[in-house]
Formats: sequence, structure tokens, C-alpha cells
Amino acid sequence: AQSVAQPEDQVNVAEGNPLTVKCTYSVSGNPYLFWYVQYPNRGLQFLLKYITGDNLVKGSYGFEAEFNKSQTSFHLKKPSALVSDSALYFCAVRYYKLSFGAGTTVTVRA
Amino acid sequence: GAVVSQHPSRVICKSGTSVKIECRSLDFQATTMFWYRQFPKQSLMLMATSNEGSKATYEQGVEKDKFLINHASLTLSTLTVTSAHPEDSSFYICSAIAPTSGSSYEQYFGPGTRLTVT
Repeated sequence: AQSVAQPEDQVNVAEGNPLTVKCTYSVSGNPYLFWYVQYPNRGLQFLLKYITGDNLVKGSYGFEAEFNKSQTSFHLKKPSALVSDSALYFCAVRYYKLSFGAGTTVTVRA
Repeated sequence: GAVVSQHPSRVICKSGTSVKIECRSLDFQATTMFWYRQFPKQSLMLMATSNEGSKATYEQGVEKDKFLINHASLTLSTLTVTSAHPEDSSFYICSAIAPTSGSSYEQYFGPGTRLTVT
């Protein structure tokens, strides 16, 4: 069985501050892990993925994520958040199919 | 990157009628497409997997006679919601797989279709 958990429904940060969105996974074998962002009434936009290799993955729009095997985590990070980063973020794991976390709503206040 | 389109982006229909949603891969051939359903501020729930030229595989709890999926070509899959009811109102997102190298692939998402049944 495969699953991901996003323990926080909401994350609120001030613009310019670091942003972290948490994700933990459970999967047998090597995980393929993804982060997507969704703006209101829009489809999903791909941010980044981890397949193998370097544990620190850099993605779109200044986001990065760190794969931590011992903690089974894949937290999304951005050093300096922007108001435009306010959106719904999904962590996902792929074995045969993509399974999504419940999502975390990020609000960045000016 | 590869582009997946959906049409229409929004549709309002009356209860009891049927509505068709199209999903197209614009610049690649997709042997496999997926249909998801999303309620407000919730996660995406996989409804079915659509393979070109064969019957769709539905997830547990999804009524195949209500949500008809046709994957007639390598660039087009359609979802028809038959005899729609207000509880079918939702955001429907399709996704298509584009092969990259070897057995690897990427999954691309359409912009979604907002269905409102009145």
C-alpha cells in the first residue's frame, strides 16, 4: 500500500519568511514523490519530484524539497515566500498510480 | 512541457440531463488517461483509468454506468456524466501520461472542469 500524509491543513506565513509544507509517506519499495500546486478553479501544476539521486530536489518557482528516508518525509520548502505562493499544495506518491495527500492551504500575508 | 486541455472549463446542467467533458493531449499521444474528482478544498480522488481502445478501469465505489468514459483515440478521452444530479456537482480533472524514456513517464494534468447540476 502507498500513501502520503500532509499533517497541516493550513500554513500561514508572512511574505519574505521561509515557507515549509510538510509531507510524510508510506510506500513499499523506492518511492516516487511529487509536489503539485493548485490555484483556485485550476488544474494541478507540477512543482518538483524525487525519483532517485540527490536528496535535495529543486523545482519550479524557487521551491525545493528534501527527501529524508529515515524520517520518511518529503517536505516542501521555499526560503522566502511570496503572496503569489498562496495556493493549495499537494504531496503525492506514485507506485503504479498517483496517490495524493489531503492538501495544505498556504496563505502568505503581505 | 506537455499540455493537456479540457473542455468545457465550466458547465451548468439541469438535473436528469447528461453532460460530456473532453480531455485532450495537445502535443503528445497518451495511451493512458486518468479522471479525477475533487470537492472544494479537498484532495483529488481517482475515478477511473482510461486506456486507448479498451474499457476504462473504475475505482471502487465509482458507478461505471453513471460516469461513462471513452478513450477513442490517443489524444482524446471523454467523461460523460449521465442523468446528472446535484450531488455530481464537482471539479473534474483529467490527466494524461506521456512517456519519457524507457519505462519512465510523466503525468500531466488538465485545467479542470467545474460541473454544476441544478
